Amino acid sequence: RKEVEQDPGPFNVPEGATVAFNCTYSNSASQSFFWYRQDCRKEPKLLMSVYSSGNEDGRFTAQLNRASQYISLLIRDSKLSDSATYLCVVVTGGGNKLTFGTGTQLKVEL
Amino acid sequence: DVKVTQSSRYLVKRTGEKVFLECVQDMDHENMFWYRQDPGLGLRLIYFSYDVKMKEKGDIPEGYSVSREKKERFSLILESASTNQTSMYLCASSLPSSPYNEQFFGPGTRLTVL
Repeated sequence: RKEVEQDPGPFNVPEGATVAFNCTYSNSASQSFFWYRQDCRKEPKLLMSVYSSGNEDGRFTAQLNRASQYISLLIRDSKLSDSATYLCVVVTGGGNKLTFGTGTQLKVEL
Repeated sequence: DVKVTQSSRYLVKRTGEKVFLECVQDMDHENMFWYRQDPGLGLRLIYFSYDVKMKEKGDIPEGYSVSREKKERFSLILESASTNQTSMYLCASSLPSSPYNEQFFGPGTRLTVL
């Protein structure tokens, strides 16, 4: 089983829609969780951290479910500019080493 | 603004050549990382370094080595390039985890080995 698993998509949604991605992780000792965003032919950039209590940043909400070992990302009122690949990232062990999921591709259409 | 630069955006090499990929960061970060990114496999960690002259193997170090002689520079070396090393190579840097700091990535080097 992969350490971090994501549905590769693509998720094709109309502008204004709400879309949610899940990501599962296998190591119950994992300590921190993040979502990174990667635009086509660009480098990944941190989108947001995921806290046990949930984390909201504008139209984006990230949540963690430790019991079921998954994290989620909810995007409300999707914009064309949200089109990208969203990478789930899990930190286990010393803290400097990130394990990346393969990413979920989102395409927001007119 | 953190800046991580990589020596080349595109590189084409022949099988058996020695290849050097250079990465430089300007934010005095202690940690530096080399990943490769392949379709369906995501980002996989090759090597990382916590400090000058220190290095640790990542998940897929075979066929690679690294050098960190200066804090701002982290080099990835392919001793004898092979076609299965054709990939996108991404360098990243971060502060020491306190806790678990953001990694900043360079633009990537797309390496093709013929």
